[in-house]
Amino acid sequence: AQSVTQPDIHITVSEGASLELRCNYSYGATPYLFWYVQSPGQGLQLLLKYFSGDTLVQGIKGFEAEFKRSQSSFNLRKPSVHWSDAAEYFCAVGAWNDMRFGAGTRLTVKP
Amino acid sequence: DTEVTQTPKHLVMGMTNKKSLKCEQHMGHRAMYWYKQKAKKPPELMFVYSYEKLSINESVPSRFSPECPNSSLLNLHLHALQPEDSALYLCASSQVGEGDFYNEQFFGPGTRLTVL
Repeated sequence: AQSVTQPDIHITVSEGASLELRCNYSYGATPYLFWYVQSPGQGLQLLLKYFSGDTLVQGIKGFEAEFKRSQSSFNLRKPSVHWSDAAEYFCAVGAWNDMRFGAGTRLTVKP
Repeated sequence: DTEVTQTPKHLVMGMTNKKSLKCEQHMGHRAMYWYKQKAKKPPELMFVYSYEKLSINESVPSRFSPECPNSSLLNLHLHALQPEDSALYLCASSQVGEGDFYNEQFFGPGTRLTVL
């Protein structure tokens, strides 16, 4: 069965510092992988997705993620965090009718 | 139009009330979804409609009744809810089928439901 693990429940970084959010997946075939961001009380916004091809994926708001099959990971990165990046981040894996979300990582940004 | 809209934004209801949540998309998607999200938790899939037919029901209690009257609309009818049903209810839509193009779900902003 497919599943997603986000090992970090909460991360705090200083504004301007780099960020890496971890995501590990378990999936039987080639995974479809996603990162979503959710601000408090809001819906989910897609940051980026990986289906196939280049393992380094660029997304919106300056985010990127790297797919590493050997490590079953799809970590999200940003070189310089802005205060507006404070939110909940969800990694997800799956097909159109069977998407599984990780537990989420809450990002706090210190001034 | 790449938007999923949901109404109302907020809803407060008593345990004996009947209410409905509404979701709409005009992206030509033929799959629509309802998710329930409790605070500080990931979304949990409730229902999936494919070509206006219910294809997945994740063992949701019968007090939640979904309806897909056409390819653009999805409703969730609520009756005799419990306080523990208070949550953010998210609607999403996607294309149907296998392949890279079909796998992305587009989410609405959600309805914040409070059951008193």
